[in-house]
Amino acid sequence: DTAVSQTPKYLVTQMGNDKSIKCEQNLGHDTMYWYKQDSKKFLKIMFSYNNKELIINETVPNRFSPKSPDKAHLNLHINSLELGDSAVYFCASSQDPRRTNTEAFFGQGTRLTVV
Amino acid sequence: GQSLEQPSEVTAVEGAIVQINCTYQTSGFYGLSWYQQHDGGAPTFLSYNALDGLEETGRFSSFLSRSDSYGYLLLQELQMKDSASYFCAEANQAGTALIFGKGTTLSVSS
Repeated sequence: DTAVSQTPKYLVTQMGNDKSIKCEQNLGHDTMYWYKQDSKKFLKIMFSYNNKELIINETVPNRFSPKSPDKAHLNLHINSLELGDSAVYFCASSQDPRRTNTEAFFGQGTRLTVV
Repeated sequence: GQSLEQPSEVTAVEGAIVQINCTYQTSGFYGLSWYQQHDGGAPTFLSYNALDGLEETGRFSSFLSRSDSYGYLLLQELQMKDSASYFCAEANQAGTALIFGKGTTLSVSS
């Protein structure tokens, strides 16, 4: 069974559209994240959810909204897509990141291309 | 904001030893992690250091010096398959998220 699964793997869409990326983890972790990885491979934290509560939002435009129906799911909804949103988006989960030997598990990534 | 510094690129030949350094900010430090990412793949966990010293896992070792706010990943007996990006990471000050360095691209040639 895949620990962290996200869909779709590829997403091509036009500017101005609204799209969602789904993420599910079966590890029983308390914390889930969304990261954006640009062409320079920089992994930028977008959101962190701990027990369904939004903990962090690092200067992300409000066109991006995380939605967590339960502890095992953290979906990402993007409104009014822009060319600059093209990137690979990774979902991840972990236990408390302050704990010893905390390991973050990543989904396969969603390559978003806005045309 | 919180930041981790690591070299952008490293090159080496098969069988060699490579050290990838990482310096971090000390406020609210919990420990340093390392991740590997192959092109087109997802980051995968390699190691974690909370205390000073060396942690060894097969060909890979990770070192931490809290007094120097510094750590490194040591890769021995390099193989072509080790060509990848390597990221150091730490929890943010609030302990609510993992923050990654900008990554080091390792190229191993024959």
